Amino acid sequence: GDSVTQMEGPVTLSEEAFLTINCTYTATGYPSLFWYVQYPGEGLQLLLKATKADDKGSNKGFEATYRKETTSFHLEKGSVQVSDSAVYFCALIVPQGGSEKLVFGKGTKLTVNP
Amino acid sequence: KAGVTQTPRYLIKTRGQQVTLSCSPISGHRSVSWYQQTPGQGLQFLFEYFSETQRNKGNFPGRFSGRQFSNSRSEMNVSTLELGDSALYLCASSFAARTSGRSEQYFGPGTRLTVT
Repeated sequence: GDSVTQMEGPVTLSEEAFLTINCTYTATGYPSLFWYVQYPGEGLQLLLKATKADDKGSNKGFEATYRKETTSFHLEKGSVQVSDSAVYFCALIVPQGGSEKLVFGKGTKLTVNP
Repeated sequence: KAGVTQTPRYLIKTRGQQVTLSCSPISGHRSVSWYQQTPGQGLQFLFEYFSETQRNKGNFPGRFSGRQFSNSRSEMNVSTLELGDSALYLCASSFAARTSGRSEQYFGPGTRLTVT
């Protein structure tokens, strides 16, 4: 079935370090890909998305490129801040049964130290 | 524009009881989806409603049910609660009218359910 695999966490970085969180997927057809972020005690916020191959999603300094040949959507940021500490989820949308459901990875917890 | 709201934010129930959670979508959004988040299983899709009709359902037992009202507000109900139902229940709304694979889902803060 359709699935998303994220790198296991937790990830701990120092402020201004480079961030990469790997995400690969398995899907039939052509899914749309998303990164969501969850801050402590809150729901999920959409961080960025890409809807077709070679699309690059970007927001708040984060970027991810939809790579169909490697079925990947890795999240990157050049210089992380303490405020980026959160759990990051990679997800895809699978059109199913006339509706759409999000399939999520397990999440990667990021801690950024000052 | 107000975001997705969920009530209550926290609930404590006893095994065997039932519970109803409420979700109000963003104004204009007609699709509401529910997800369960647990440390062990992560985020799992429960069901989705559009225009008062359930369009899709995840792999959860029949104890989990939902409905949507004409104003797009949605409720989910869990009957005969089990300890394993303790989780964060998240509601998401989107504008999607048709399946496109491009719809953005906007999440509420969730309802934290604890079953003792």
